[in-house]
Amino acid sequence: KAGVTQTPRYLIKTRGQQVTLSCSPISGHRSVSWYQQTPGQGLQFLFEYFSETQRNKGNFPGRFSGRQFSNSRSEMNVSTLELGDSALYLCASSITGSSYNSPLHFGNGTRLTVT
Amino acid sequence: GENVEQHPSTLSVQEGDSAVIKCTYSDSASNYFPWYKQELGKRPQLIIDIRSNVGEKKDQRIAVTLNKTAKHFSLHITETQPEDSAVYFCAAIKGAQKLVFGQGTRLTINP
Repeated sequence: KAGVTQTPRYLIKTRGQQVTLSCSPISGHRSVSWYQQTPGQGLQFLFEYFSETQRNKGNFPGRFSGRQFSNSRSEMNVSTLELGDSALYLCASSITGSSYNSPLHFGNGTRLTVT
Repeated sequence: GENVEQHPSTLSVQEGDSAVIKCTYSDSASNYFPWYKQELGKRPQLIIDIRSNVGEKKDQRIAVTLNKTAKHFSLHITETQPEDSAVYFCAAIKGAQKLVFGQGTRLTINP
């Protein structure tokens, strides 16, 4: 069974631009959550989707948004990019309907660099 | 991460010795405590988890202990090997359905 797939692996954007990241969960997994990983802040929860609905959201500004499609694939969008948005963005899926009390399967991440 | 304190931030041990990483959480409703290992340049992977109805769980050289009264849980790695070198993250539930991660511990195994 294929693992969690994130595309693209690397992105370089300029301040003010917007970016869309994609995540395909493991087949059969319906919960998808997103995390931002930076050296200084560790793994920060962005949001979680289940059955195309956002179930929970972390403490990030409204520039960060996401959605989930009927096939459980998820996208994350960041608008008006800032230098501080440079990070590794990780997507994770879980087989149960919740990401907070069951094992997470992470993708390899998308490394975003904002210049 | 907010409300999950992880210590130490770095840990260096001799190969064959034991390593212990401790996490403290604040939400008394937390009932699931996973540990993830992230090798350099790779994705985090679950290595062990524990639920609040047990106090200890073992899997070969790794174990996790949970003290719900004190709100802390620890990862124990015995007979450490070079391949144990990685960053380890603990996590716990905060509030309604949100998993919060500790800041991570960089473990180095010295040959």
